[in-house]
Amino acid sequence: GENVEQHPSTLSVQEGDSAVIKCTYSDSASNYFPWYKQELGKRPQLIIDIRSNVGEKKDQRIAVTLNKTAKHFSLHITETQPEDSAVYFCAASMGDAGGTSYGKLTFGQGTILTVHP
Amino acid sequence: ETGVTQTPRHLVMGMTNKKSLKCEQHLGHNAMYWYKQSAKKPLELMFVYNFKEQTENNSVPSRFSPECPNSSHLFLHLHTLQPEDSALYLCASSHRLADYEQYFGPGTRLTVT
Repeated sequence: GENVEQHPSTLSVQEGDSAVIKCTYSDSASNYFPWYKQELGKRPQLIIDIRSNVGEKKDQRIAVTLNKTAKHFSLHITETQPEDSAVYFCAASMGDAGGTSYGKLTFGQGTILTVHP
Repeated sequence: ETGVTQTPRHLVMGMTNKKSLKCEQHLGHNAMYWYKQSAKKPLELMFVYNFKEQTENNSVPSRFSPECPNSSHLFLHLHTLQPEDSALYLCASSHRLADYEQYFGPGTRLTVT
């Protein structure tokens, strides 16, 4: 099955700096890569996602890049703010590729991001 | 309440008890999921239901028994649990399977004594 590795496990930055979180996946058939943010005591929420037919996607201060050949994808947060402090999870799934893993999201271990004012 | 709701929010049970977790989604979604979130293994998928049919059982022990009577409701029946089953149990739903955003509920914090 799919295996997703996420690094770093913790990341501490100063307000205004950029933050980068990286994930690698094992199954080349995976084609959908979402990122979820979970604030302390709250539920995970989708912040951005990317499909394998796209190499990069941006939404204001966040962006995701995908390298299918190397099987890794990254989350970039620019101009970080204290409210960006949370746990970030990457995930991978085969999406519409079907098969026994249809609809199954495999999550990375999570990155605790702390933004210091 | 809109979105995905879960009850109870907190549950303490003994190893010989039987209890059930309930999840309800008000989004008109067709797929529902159970996840286990613990410090050691964050966000493990347990079960997937699509149009009330179970499509995934991620090697979950039989002491966890899911039930999906319709596309809006999902239950997780618990019996003879172990202390290592203590975790946050999250329910989620999505419009369809595959590459669609999953909306999570607030979770049930389960403690097995």
